[in-house]
Amino acid sequence: GESVGLHLPTLSVQEGDNSIINCAYSNSASDYFIWYKQESGKGPQFIIDIRSNMDKRQGQRVTVLLNKTVKHLSLQIAATQPGDSAVYFCADVRRGNQFYFGTGTSLTVIP
Amino acid sequence: DTGVSQDPRHKITKRGQNVTFRCDPISEHNRLYWYRQTLGQGPEFLTYFQNEAQLEKSRLLSDRFSAERPKGSFSTLEIQRTEQGDSAMYLCAGSGGPDTQYFGPGTRLTVL
Repeated sequence: GESVGLHLPTLSVQEGDNSIINCAYSNSASDYFIWYKQESGKGPQFIIDIRSNMDKRQGQRVTVLLNKTVKHLSLQIAATQPGDSAVYFCADVRRGNQFYFGTGTSLTVIP
Repeated sequence: DTGVSQDPRHKITKRGQNVTFRCDPISEHNRLYWYRQTLGQGPEFLTYFQNEAQLEKSRLLSDRFSAERPKGSFSTLEIQRTEQGDSAMYLCAGSGGPDTQYFGPGTRLTVL
């Protein structure tokens, strides 16, 4: 069936290094993608989004890359900080109101 | 803080009991979503309201689940005859448009 999934369930990085979290999606009809950060005991928090007609978008310390050819999405976090430790989810949006979340990647930043 | 609140934050109940959760989005959120999240998984879509109209329901939403948004502001999610498999975090999210959502802190349900 349709799915949004992540390549790695866990990722550990040294403080100050760059982090890359990957996501594969299967629905070519998805028109919008979002990355969320979820800290323990809290709801997901919006990080950055990208529309399907774009291939790159940058925010503050974060960059999202979209490769529609291979249906792959990535989140790059520059100069990772301890406060970035969390679970990161990608979500694809279909028909403007259906949000489908992947399994999540747990990022641990080592001081 | 997204401004979306949920009540209660935690609920422990015995199997077979009914439970009701409440979500209060911010006033600009004409869209409201309910999700269920189990440990280690991403949120799973349950249902979606635009104002007071319930426009989408997932097949995950069995007939024991019902959601309402009577005045287009707060919403309630009721689970009747709870089962142990209903144990999860129930998340509410509000949105002012078709793009991003603002999640509340969730209600953690434990069914004994």
